Amino acid sequence: DAKTTQPPSMDCAEGRAANLPCNHSTISGNEYVYWYRQIHSQGPQYIIHGLKNNETNEMASLIITEDRKSSTLILPHATLRDTAVYYCIVRPINTGTASKLTFGTGTRLQVTL
Amino acid sequence: NAGVMQNPRHLVRRRGQEARLRCSPMKGHSHVYWYRQLPEEGLKFMVYLQKENIIDESGMPKERFSAEFPKEGPSILRIQQVVRGDSAAYFCASSPGASGIDTQYFGPGTRLTVL
Repeated sequence: DAKTTQPPSMDCAEGRAANLPCNHSTISGNEYVYWYRQIHSQGPQYIIHGLKNNETNEMASLIITEDRKSSTLILPHATLRDTAVYYCIVRPINTGTASKLTFGTGTRLQVTL
Repeated sequence: NAGVMQNPRHLVRRRGQEARLRCSPMKGHSHVYWYRQLPEEGLKFMVYLQKENIIDESGMPKERFSAEFPKEGPSILRIQQVVRGDSAAYFCASSPGASGIDTQYFGPGTRLTVL
């Protein structure tokens, strides 16, 4: 799997947009970008994934640059409940037996009043 | 539509005992993954199973750990003769398939404490 780089921590004021960057400069054309988060010690929660195009769902938006070397997860109106560690993961389309997720250290997002 | 279920949520064992962790995947999912999170560390893959088959166990410790996913019933992660270093959160995930587009959904985890 391609390596990802994320800032270790970020702060965001409640109600503002949280923009979490991820660098995946070695990503190949057949790899997805996935985002998960882990709130305190709960199980990781799937947020969103994309291949080339920008994606949006009820939780967040994913903006992938045209060269696919980086992406940004956007939480449009952050709340205190969005405080968590956010993980950016790249994953091959055809995983074969290598279907595991490889978690890095992620970004610890702190949402404040 | 129930998510991934894990039980027990908390498990306390004394050194040398056995720990059995159970995972029931989401309905329609036949692929199960186990991950471990040691205190203050990241999530690490342990093993990937399909019904009755171990597909990838590259992250499993060579001794004392085993996993199964029988035709009927939940997936079981078994740790024999537990040691203090086994204390961790163990998370199970499931997916409908194994390709990159098959999202893995995680359970709430089992927190194992070894006294």
